[in-house]
Amino acid sequence: DADVTQTPRNRITKTGKRIMLECSQTKGHDRMYWYRQDPGLGLQLIYYSFDVKDINKGEISDGYSVSRQAQAKFSLSLESAIPNQTALYFCATSAPGGNEQFFGPGTRLTVL
Amino acid sequence: AQSVTQLGSHVSVSEGALVLLRCNYSSSVPPYLFWYVQYPNQGLQLLLKYTSAATLVKGINGFEAEFKKSETSFHLTKPSAHMSDAAEYFCAVPSGGYQKVTFGTGTKLQVIP
Repeated sequence: DADVTQTPRNRITKTGKRIMLECSQTKGHDRMYWYRQDPGLGLQLIYYSFDVKDINKGEISDGYSVSRQAQAKFSLSLESAIPNQTALYFCATSAPGGNEQFFGPGTRLTVL
Repeated sequence: AQSVTQLGSHVSVSEGALVLLRCNYSSSVPPYLFWYVQYPNQGLQLLLKYTSAATLVKGINGFEAEFKKSETSFHLTKPSAHMSDAAEYFCAVPSGGYQKVTFGTGTKLQVIP
C-alpha cells in the first residue's frame, strides 16, 4: 500500500465550484505539505502544517485553504475554482530536520 | 532565502551517453541538497541527498552528484543513459529555517534510442 495517498487522482470541474483534494499518510510524519506543479515552474508551496494545530501559508496560498483533520490527514480546498488553478497538485510529508519529503501520486485538476 | 537554479529545462541524450543535469545553489552553503526524480504520472521520489558528510553522493539507479563549493554547484550525472531514465529531475534545498524545501524549476530528460 502507498504511504501517501491522494484522492481524487483526476478531477474536472467548472469555474466557481468548491473543490476539496484529500491527502492521507501512513508514515507517521507530523509535517505535511501541499504543492502545485505547473510546467516550467517546478513545485510551488501552497500550505504546510507541522501538526494539527499548526497551519502555515506557503508562496501561493491565495484562493486556497487547508484543513488538518488529524496527524494523517491534510485536505486542500479551492473555495471558488478558477481556470488559472488548473494544475497538478501534490501532497507530501516529512520528518523534522530538513529531511526527505515523501510525495503522493498527485491530483490532476482541470477547471473549465 | 536559499534557492536553486537548474540550467536547461529540457535535455536530450542518446541511450548509453553521459547524463549531466545542472543545479546551482545560492551563495550560502546549505546543510542539505536534494535531487528528486518524477517519472510520468507519478509523484516525486528522492534520488539522492547531500549532507556534507561527503562531496560525492551516490543515489539510486546509477546516478551521482558532486557538491562543489567553489562553483556553488550540485550537478547530477550518470555515465550511461538508459531509456528508463526518461523523467523530470528536480534539484531542491531546505529553506525557511529548514522547515520547507524550495525546488528548482526542473529538467526534463529525454533519452533517444
